[in-house]
Amino acid sequence: DAKTTQPPSMDCAEGRAANLPCNHSTISGNEYVYWYRQIHSQGPQYIIHGLKNNETNEMASLIITEDRKSSTLILPHATLRDTAVYYCIVRALYNFNKFYFGSGTKLNVKP
Amino acid sequence: NAGVTQTPKFQVLKTGQSMTLQCAQDMNHNSMYWYRQDPGMGLRLIYYSASEGTTDKGEVPNGYNVSRLNKREFSLRLESAAPSQTSVYFCASSEGGSGPNEQFFGPGTRLTVL
Repeated sequence: DAKTTQPPSMDCAEGRAANLPCNHSTISGNEYVYWYRQIHSQGPQYIIHGLKNNETNEMASLIITEDRKSSTLILPHATLRDTAVYYCIVRALYNFNKFYFGSGTKLNVKP
Repeated sequence: NAGVTQTPKFQVLKTGQSMTLQCAQDMNHNSMYWYRQDPGMGLRLIYYSASEGTTDKGEVPNGYNVSRLNKREFSLRLESAAPSQTSVYFCASSEGGSGPNEQFFGPGTRLTVL
């Protein structure tokens, strides 16, 4: 199963775009890339997912490289409320027990 | 629409005591999960239930049992609590089946075992 590598922490100025990288060099062809975030000690919150095409929703954009070995989550206009730990996860459909959160990236949005 | 609810929110146990953590979802989801999160770490899957009537072990099942009571409810039981089980426990649910299975999480139960 593909595991992910993320930087432990990043800073971003309020109002600027936050670009969070994730390396998943051993990803398989049927594995999706998911992003979740966890604010304080709340339950994680789903952000976005994708297979190989770039995806965008009301929260963020997901850019997946052509070889699918890495991806970037983009928060276009970060606010203080976006300060959280962001988790990049890869998992194939039906693999219910293969959802590894890892340590994530702590994003600090500063005024 | 409450989403995923968990009870209790906080609990302190003594070593050897038992307890059951309750989880319920009102989204008509097929799949439910139990995770634990130790300080400074990501979540680890304890058990999951892909559909009503089935349960399977996750990454860290030792010391726990689960019951999928019905489609809505999924409980986690600690038969003989140990200090190593001090953690925050999260329940989650997802649609299941062939979809991407976005998971929705509850607010967590903070458990301390003395």
